[in-house]
This record gives sequence, C-alpha cells and structure tokens, in this order.
Amino acid sequence: EAQVTQNPRYLITVTGKKLTVTCSQNMNHEYMSWYRQDPGLGLRQIYYSMNVEVTDKGDVPEGYKVSRKEKRNFPLILESPSPNQTSLYFCASRLGLAVTDTQYFGPGTRLTVL
Amino acid sequence: AQSVTQLGSHVSVSEGALVLLRCNYSSSVPPYLFWYVQYPNQGLQLLLKYTSAATLVKGINGFEAEFKKSETSFHLTKPSAHMSDAAEYFCAVSDAPYSSASKIIFGSGTRLSIRP
Repeated sequence: EAQVTQNPRYLITVTGKKLTVTCSQNMNHEYMSWYRQDPGLGLRQIYYSMNVEVTDKGDVPEGYKVSRKEKRNFPLILESPSPNQTSLYFCASRLGLAVTDTQYFGPGTRLTVL
Repeated sequence: AQSVTQLGSHVSVSEGALVLLRCNYSSSVPPYLFWYVQYPNQGLQLLLKYTSAATLVKGINGFEAEFKKSETSFHLTKPSAHMSDAAEYFCAVSDAPYSSASKIIFGSGTRLSIRP
C-alpha cells in the first residue's frame, strides 16, 4: 500500500530538548516536504527536498532542520524547540517537481512544547 | 505572489442538501488549483485539481469544482451532502507548476458539518 508514515503521532516535550520527527514514504518519490498546520493559517511549508542531499527552505524554516540521506526518509529536526513550535506537522511526498503530481500526506504529528 | 482565500471557516448543511464551499484565488499567471479534504486525525487527501484543461473538474466522492477566471473563483460543490462528508476542506493554488521551488499555497480551511 502506498503510504507516508510519520512517527511519533503525538509528542509532548519541554523547551530546548532536541527532538526528531521521522517521515518515510514507500513510493520512490523524489519530492518530499514538511508542513505545519495552525488554526486559521492553513498549511505552511517548512522545508522541501527535491532529491537525496537536495533540500531547501520553505515559507517558515526558522527553528527547523531537515536531512535527506536516503530517498525514502525525510526527518524533521527541532534542535531547541520553543512553545511557538507547538503545532500539527505533516510530511508529504509526490513523484517529482510537478505540482500536478498527486501529493500524499502522512497522518500528522501533534507536537506540544511546554 | 499567489494567494487563496476561503470564505467561511465553518459551514453547516443538512444531510441531502447542497454543499458549497467558496474559494477565491489571486495569481499573476494562470493558476493551478486544488481542493484537499482532511478527515479527523488524518492527513490531507486530494479531492480534485484544475490544470487548465476543462473548467469544470470532477473529483472523488461526488465533489466537483468550477474554475471561473472572471471571478477568480474555484468553488467546491456537491449536490447532496452525506454524513461522511464532514471534514475540513482546503483550497490551494500554485502558479509555478514545474519550478524547482514549486509549491502549493493553502487556504485557511473550511470545516464542513453535516446535520442529520
């Protein structure tokens, strides 16, 4: 089954404690991205990756890092989380650069930073 | 720069009634437009997309949307609402379909409730 998986689904942490949210896709997609969803703001792109070792900033990259060492995995790293990063996070993937390629979303990770 | 505005953060309709979710876009070039649905505790799922072919686009679950350039609108409709349609719906736009920074801009979402 084609899918994007994220772990963990829920996470409560404290300010400054480094964390990683994993994302994996099994569709051999080249393009992957991370979004955060906040009430009234829709989804905003944090980072994206066009292929292995190729990543770039989205609209709200401050406080986040990513890596793409393997095609299937695209972890999101918060090295020093702060309360304003409390949000619902989605990983997504699509076949290539074309926005007309169907984008597949993971189930989401709800992060609370105290 | 492109943007999208969804009118109404919450829409409530009776089961069997017409569903109309409004979306207006802004784009300096012909846009690509999308509607996504998000069921509770799930990720977003593509409902339909407009890619400059037919202006009336049919999607999954009986939904359709019409691209109206003169009104800069891409409203989502369904003739008869079902309880299973209760979800959050996002309109989205892109004006750079194949660029290296191609991205999709999402609206703020409309929560659809269905009354029995």
